[in-house]
Amino acid sequence: DIQMTQSPSFLSASVGDRVTINCKASQNINRYLNWYQQKLGEAPKLLIYNANSLQTGIPSRFSGSGSGTDFTLTISSLQPEDVATYFCLQHNSWFTFGSGTKLEIK
Amino acid sequence: QVQLKESGPGLVQPSQTLSLTCTVSGFSLTSNSVHWVRQPPGKGLEWVGAIWSGGSTDYNSALKSRLSISRDTSKSQVFLKMNSLQTEDTAIYFCTRRLRDYWGQGVMVTVSS
Repeated sequence: DIQMTQSPSFLSASVGDRVTINCKASQNINRYLNWYQQKLGEAPKLLIYNANSLQTGIPSRFSGSGSGTDFTLTISSLQPEDVATYFCLQHNSWFTFGSGTKLEIK
Repeated sequence: QVQLKESGPGLVQPSQTLSLTCTVSGFSLTSNSVHWVRQPPGKGLEWVGAIWSGGSTDYNSALKSRLSISRDTSKSQVFLKMNSLQTEDTAIYFCTRRLRDYWGQGVMVTVSS
């Protein structure tokens, strides 16, 4: 089974900061990597699919990059409404989520 | 519009069987996959399984021996059955279209005597 190692597990940043979250796959997953945002008490929301494609309706401050085993979610300018937990998901071979990154505002 | 809604018992006794229903609207089950994902309280997400547009199924290897997913296309419903429940199966269970754009609100299932 493919393992996904997500880092950091917790992140505190200021409004306007550039924020990066990483996911590393235990083997090559090409670009089959999605990023989700989950706010407290809500279902996950898809932000990025296939590593770097922005889901319709998601603000352009969110972007994704990477291929193979190393992937990054970037928020170019952190906004208060971005407080949430972020998860990656590999869908190259079955489906495995990362452990999550809890993002808060300083 | 596209909607998914999970339903089922909130409390299940250990060793018993969990039965959940995902009722969908706004799309066809014969054209879209539906996945189940669960989340223990305060923890991360775990893929449970899926039923594909053609009706075939795939399951998380760790749950496969206890799990069954089926559907009734005439009623636009997808069913999850998991037997031999243990306390570690306590979680919010979500159904989602294609693991992408549409998710249900989730249903909390507690395994306790």
